[in-house]
Amino acid sequence: SAVISQKPSRDICQRGTSLTIQCQVDSQVTMMFWYRQQPGQSLTLIATANQGSEATYESGFVIDKFPISRPNLTFSTLTVSNMSPEDSSIYLCSVGWTGGDHGYTFGSGTRLTVV
Amino acid sequence: AQTVTQSQPEMSVQEAETVTLSCTYDTSESNYYLFWYKQPPSRQMILVIRQEAYKQQNATENRFSVNFQKAAKSFSLKISDSQLGDTAMYFCAFTLRGGGADGLTFGKGTHLIIQP
Repeated sequence: SAVISQKPSRDICQRGTSLTIQCQVDSQVTMMFWYRQQPGQSLTLIATANQGSEATYESGFVIDKFPISRPNLTFSTLTVSNMSPEDSSIYLCSVGWTGGDHGYTFGSGTRLTVV
Repeated sequence: AQTVTQSQPEMSVQEAETVTLSCTYDTSESNYYLFWYKQPPSRQMILVIRQEAYKQQNATENRFSVNFQKAAKSFSLKISDSQLGDTAMYFCAFTLRGGGADGLTFGKGTHLIIQP
């Protein structure tokens, strides 16, 4: 399975600013996924990032608020724009693998606090 | 849209006991993939076990096993000989296509506490 390096691990940001989260994968993958985990809640899929095309957003998430870049098959970024305290969450990236059995690897998450 | 339901917000058992976490899902498709993930306080998501819907045999991984009832759309996780390190949030998850083509739909999670 792939190994993902996610940065930063945590940040405290002022409202109205933006934060960019990075995920680097140790192998080439077609799809990368971004999730939000609000405090005490489950994970919700924000968008799917496919290299060479626009990201596909889930209902309730828009590109202006969560722009995503996918410049190559091993890297992606998620930006949380114009932040408010309601954006305080853990953000995780993930990739899937096929090798034998199917599964998904996750980054270690970014804990974002907006003040 | 697919949905995943975990009806037990929290469970607590004594060390060495067996515990079963419940999960039901809703889909009109016949082939799909189901997972149980563990999230300890470190927040790292750890794959516990997976099940392909086309496989009738229930998946097992050491102390972890599932009871997959396709007709009932049920996918419970059994943890045998529970250990203190099993204390964590457990999430049931669903996806239609394998190979990482689609993202996961998660249940709300069950907080499992193993008491010494």
